[in-house]
Amino acid sequence: EAGVAQSPRYKIIEKRQSVAFWCNPISGHATLYWYQQILGQGPKLLIQFQNNGVVDDSQLPKDRFSAERLKGVDSTLKIQPAKLEDSAVYLCASSSQVQETQYFGPGTRLLVL
Amino acid sequence: DQQVKQNSPSLSVQEGRISILNCDYTNSMFDYFLWYKKYPAEGPTFLISISSIKDKNEDGRFTVFLNKSAKHLSLHIVPSQPGDSAVYFCAASAPTGANNLFFGTGTRLTVIP
Repeated sequence: EAGVAQSPRYKIIEKRQSVAFWCNPISGHATLYWYQQILGQGPKLLIQFQNNGVVDDSQLPKDRFSAERLKGVDSTLKIQPAKLEDSAVYLCASSSQVQETQYFGPGTRLLVL
Repeated sequence: DQQVKQNSPSLSVQEGRISILNCDYTNSMFDYFLWYKKYPAEGPTFLISISSIKDKNEDGRFTVFLNKSAKHLSLHIVPSQPGDSAVYFCAASAPTGANNLFFGTGTRLTVIP
């Protein structure tokens, strides 16, 4: 069974630029999560989807971050404009249902200069 | 406010000995706890979990103990192997509609051959 796929793996941008990350969850997994992991910290949930609907986006900085999962499968996370403090690893995870174990992708490492 | 805490940033253990990783939490609503293992440049990998109705769960060399009154859990690895060297994250969730995982800051385990 293929795992959670993410791209790109690495991205370097300048502040105020835009960036987008892509995630393809495990096949059949209805629930998809985006986490932000800042160096030295544990992952922090940004947004959770159940199929193509948002379950929880309370920690998403909505003035600059957006995410969508239009067809209930893959998802994109966008930052516009980026700030220096957005430098982090962005992890995507999926689970078969909301209360089931989450499986993580390899992450996208973002550096904002 | 860090609701899940791992106070030891690092731990070194000789191969064959026991590794004990500790985790404390503050939110009494948490009822499900997980340990994830993370290698460099990879996403966290699910290791073992425990529900609050239990005080112990075992899977091969890995055992998780939960002390609800102390709001403390620990992961025991016996015997420790060099391949166990990684960063270990403790995570917890509450029985809400969402499955928001709250992570600790991680403990870097080094198993010395």
